[in-house]
Amino acid sequence: RKEVEQDPGPFNVPEGATVAFNCTYSNSASQSFFWYRQDCRKEPKLLMSVYSSGNEDGRFTAQLNRASQYISLLIRDSKLSDSATYLCVVGSGGYQKVTFGTGTKLQVIP
Amino acid sequence: GAVVSQHPSRVICKSGTSVKIECRSLDFQATTMFWYRQFPKQSLMLMATSNEGSKATYEQGVEKDKFLINHASLTLSTLTVTSAHPEDSSFYICSARGVGNQETQYFGPGTRLLVL
Repeated sequence: RKEVEQDPGPFNVPEGATVAFNCTYSNSASQSFFWYRQDCRKEPKLLMSVYSSGNEDGRFTAQLNRASQYISLLIRDSKLSDSATYLCVVGSGGYQKVTFGTGTKLQVIP
Repeated sequence: GAVVSQHPSRVICKSGTSVKIECRSLDFQATTMFWYRQFPKQSLMLMATSNEGSKATYEQGVEKDKFLINHASLTLSTLTVTSAHPEDSSFYICSARGVGNQETQYFGPGTRLLVL
């Protein structure tokens, strides 16, 4: 089983739609969770950290389910500019390394 | 946000040559820097972790004698691909983690290496 698993997609959604991605992780000792966004041929950029209680940043909502070992990202009112690959990132906390998922590709269609 | 630069952004070289890639944290001190490699349509794979002033820790399957990492200061880490071969062609990305910020990684723009 991979350490971090994501549905590669692509998810093709119309503008204005709500879309959700899940990501599962295998290490129950994981402590830090992030969503990164990567545009084609560019470096990943931090979208948001994921906190135990769930957190929201504008149209983006992230949630963590420790019991089932998954995190989710919800995007409301999708924009064309949201088209990108979304990477789930899991770390064991502190100074430990993080592990990237393979990413979920989102394509928002006009 | 924190800025990380990489140089060069793109390099084409002949098989057998060595290529050096620089990663700099421009506005913060990076106690730890990471080097990743990403092949087309694949995830970022961590190659090694480097801490300032100490030897890098390499991931399983990454040859330390082929991928030389030097982290001589709190703002600079270098990756040298020695005797590069076509299979080393990839997108190399560094990231830096700042003092006091133990979890967030800031990524450089990446270096595209093509070995002919």
